[in-house]
Amino acid sequence: DAGVIQSPRHEVTEMGQEVTLRCKPISGHNSLFWYRQTMMRGLELLIYFNNNVPIDDSGMPEDRFSAKMPNASFSTLKIQPSEPRDSAVYFCASSFLSGGETQYFGPGTRLLVL
Amino acid sequence: GESVGLHLPTLSVQEGDNSIINCAYSNSASDYFIWYKQESGKGPQFIIDIRSNMDKRQGQRVTVLLNKTVKHLSLQIAATQPGDSAVYFCAENSGATNKLIFGTGTLLAVQP
Repeated sequence: DAGVIQSPRHEVTEMGQEVTLRCKPISGHNSLFWYRQTMMRGLELLIYFNNNVPIDDSGMPEDRFSAKMPNASFSTLKIQPSEPRDSAVYFCASSFLSGGETQYFGPGTRLLVL
Repeated sequence: GESVGLHLPTLSVQEGDNSIINCAYSNSASDYFIWYKQESGKGPQFIIDIRSNMDKRQGQRVTVLLNKTVKHLSLQIAATQPGDSAVYFCAENSGATNKLIFGTGTLLAVQP
């Protein structure tokens, strides 16, 4: 059974370029979460969706970040334009929709912005 | 320049010993708790969970204890192995939403 799938696994880009991270949640899960992990700030929730609808985007750093979930099996996190301080590992996680459910994480995308 | 990052608490144990990792949670209304293990270069991996109507739950070599009075959670690992070396996170959920609030993590270092 496939877990959460993220692509790409690694991304190196130059400052100012657009970056798109992709996530496929576990089939049947109806909540999807985007996290960012850095040494400075640990694991931060950026945004989450229930039934493809964004519920809480209070963790999104600024307008350069946007996320979409066009259907139940796909989500993107876009950074435009990217900056060196965006360098981090970005995780996607999914769960069933209800309070108190385990979130299952993908392997992450390691982003380096030069 | 010097980089400054999160200072992770570190627990160093000998292979074969038992490990206890502690976590203080913040919200007395939290009713669901999870322990995750994160190995280097990987995503957090579910280990065990517990709901607030329980004070103890056991898995394979792992036990989670919940003390709601003092808002404390612990993870016990029996007969710790080198493969247990990782960062361990506790997470809480208040039930009002399905957001998880993560702790800063504890680094477990197993010495052979």
